[in-house]
Amino acid sequence: KNEVEQSPQNLTAQEGEFITINCSYSVGISALHWLQQHPGGGIVSLFMLSSGKKKHGRLIATINIQEKHSSLHITASHPRDSAVYICAVVPSYNTDKLIFGTGTRLQVFP
Amino acid sequence: GAGVSQSPSNKVTEKGKDVELRCDPISGHTALYWYRQRLGQGLEFLIYFQGNSAPDKSGLPSDRFSAERTGESVSTLTIQRTQQEDSAVYLCASSLQAYEQYFGPGTRLTVT
Repeated sequence: KNEVEQSPQNLTAQEGEFITINCSYSVGISALHWLQQHPGGGIVSLFMLSSGKKKHGRLIATINIQEKHSSLHITASHPRDSAVYICAVVPSYNTDKLIFGTGTRLQVFP
Repeated sequence: GAGVSQSPSNKVTEKGKDVELRCDPISGHTALYWYRQRLGQGLEFLIYFQGNSAPDKSGLPSDRFSAERTGESVSTLTIQRTQQEDSAVYLCASSLQAYEQYFGPGTRLTVT
């Protein structure tokens, strides 16, 4: 079993829909990242969380440390949000490392 | 300022040839990471450099893979005698503060 699990693996939506991507992990962590990867392959860091909630524009990330769970929400989705969203955790046992989920592929149609 | 850069962006090579992939980290970042992402799969850790410490090579999949870093600057990932299963996107990241990594655009390697 992977230490970081994401769901769903694939997600399609119509423009304007509210989207939620989930991440569960099984190790103690120091922080959690949400990353965005566009088809060209480059990765952009969206959020780094260690507690609570963060918001950037239409993106919201939450984390529940006790439940070992995080969610990424996209409000009013747009085709340009189409990408792979990756959850990655910094394990407490080695804060120099990231453990990655396998990603959620999101396609938003006009 | 400039982000992490990688070159080449794409590389097609014949099976059995050696390849070198380059990463230029953000200036001043002491830590540098190499990852591999095979088609349809998640990122795999390959190797980690931190300052002048011995690198963490625990993720290198075989002795055909090696990497070097000169001080706190550029890093080169070398794959010898490439195999088709080496085809992947190779990503580099650098960081200064704990936890926060900045990723490069990646090098897409295709072994024919």
